[in-house]
Amino acid sequence: DAGITQSPRYKITETGRQVTLMCHQTWSHSYMFWYRQDLGHGLRLIYYSAAADITDKGEVPDGYVVSRSKTENFPLTLESATRSQTSVYFCAKSSRGGLLCKNIQYFGAGTRLSVL
Amino acid sequence: DQQVKQNSPSLSVQEGRISILNCDYTNSMFDYFLWYKKYPAEGPTFLISISSIKDKNEDGRFTVFLNKSAKHLSLHIVPSQPGDSAVYFCAASARGGSQGNLIFGKGTKLSVKP
Repeated sequence: DAGITQSPRYKITETGRQVTLMCHQTWSHSYMFWYRQDLGHGLRLIYYSAAADITDKGEVPDGYVVSRSKTENFPLTLESATRSQTSVYFCAKSSRGGLLCKNIQYFGAGTRLSVL
Repeated sequence: DQQVKQNSPSLSVQEGRISILNCDYTNSMFDYFLWYKKYPAEGPTFLISISSIKDKNEDGRFTVFLNKSAKHLSLHIVPSQPGDSAVYFCAASARGGSQGNLIFGKGTKLSVKP
């Protein structure tokens, strides 16, 4: 058990609607991440957070909003969903530290989002 | 421009043989490298990693080799088993700030035939 839970696992929504994907972790790892996985692109970073109330953009942040009021939760919101946001979304966490700076991320099971 | 490249989208290997998955990188600041394994409908799971101060790291059937001069790493699976069939992602990071974020390759789908 990686100690990170995503909900819902599957979501279908319509263009223009707002949708929020939830991510919850145990163990209070400081770093949390949101990725999307698309065919031909691998895993691309949307947003990340180094601690509560500290967030920053990744490679593909447009159209997404994040917040992190508590260390254990890191929701991702699509303010006005578009068809191009149909994807599989993964949340991850990391402690990112140690002598050798072992930067291992642990992933949730993912949310498959379809925007019609 | 891709900083981490997995040039083989797929690989098919017979059970019991060696599987070799390759990964190239362009950023000389990368100093930590990881391999993740992903089954369908599941999240990626960490498999093995290597720091740039080493050239080899072994964990059971899995060995990762790092050639810094060639900016190349490879994952060897010996012997391959049908349960190893999955998509394998290579990832790399550098120290500090946003450079500490992982950069992923596009993945290689490994099929191990019984």
